Amino acid sequence: GAGVSQSPSNKVTEKGKDVELRCDPISGHTALYWYRQSLGQGLEFLIYFQGNSAPDKSGLPSDRFSAERTGGSVSTLTIQRTQQEDSAVYLCASSLLAGGLAKNIQYFGAGTRLSVL
Amino acid sequence: AQKITQTQPGMFVQEKEAVTLDCTYDTSDPSYGLFWYKQPSSGEMIFLIYQGSYDQQNATEGRYSLNFQKARKSANLVISASQLGDSAMYFCAMRDFYGGSQGNLIFGKGTKLSVKP
Repeated sequence: GAGVSQSPSNKVTEKGKDVELRCDPISGHTALYWYRQSLGQGLEFLIYFQGNSAPDKSGLPSDRFSAERTGGSVSTLTIQRTQQEDSAVYLCASSLLAGGLAKNIQYFGAGTRLSVL
Repeated sequence: AQKITQTQPGMFVQEKEAVTLDCTYDTSDPSYGLFWYKQPSSGEMIFLIYQGSYDQQNATEGRYSLNFQKARKSANLVISASQLGDSAMYFCAMRDFYGGSQGNLIFGKGTKLSVKP
């Protein structure tokens, strides 16, 4: 597809369950970002991947959160033992390049709305 | 610390009128980029316009222009000739390399714009 694709669009889960959120970036984009958008906190950076470099995990809120990026393309964000405070919209973005240039436009997907009951 | 401030939680504008959405920022890095995104109710973040800290002229993209006042650290978005489809949340964001950041975006809280017919 032409844009960033995220699945599922909505996910309802029970407290304590694990969830996986998927992001398929724009073809050819080397950088991939995950953000979380919640009512009280606005948009928060979670994790960033650039090519084969080690990811920047500085924004992950706890060790229950992890992410992988396989083959430099698709990424999966995993939340283990979900809590109600994990309820939010999880947004993925990709950019052609990262680092070195202030103008690296990040293109976002439509997000996954996670509800933890 | 880096920070983006949007002081208008909500704004109303009459169709075909112009509207200015405020954004102020704070950073110690001389090299940075400022972005505006639109988020309609569908949830996707849509890139609108970019301004670099060294750009001499204000950025323009169609009906969008960015009123960049570097000394005041402000980057206001101006939308001319508002349309009903402009009703959405608007986010100001900044990208810099302070503290070794790899360029994730820092977002303001957003302004909800409602265009009245």
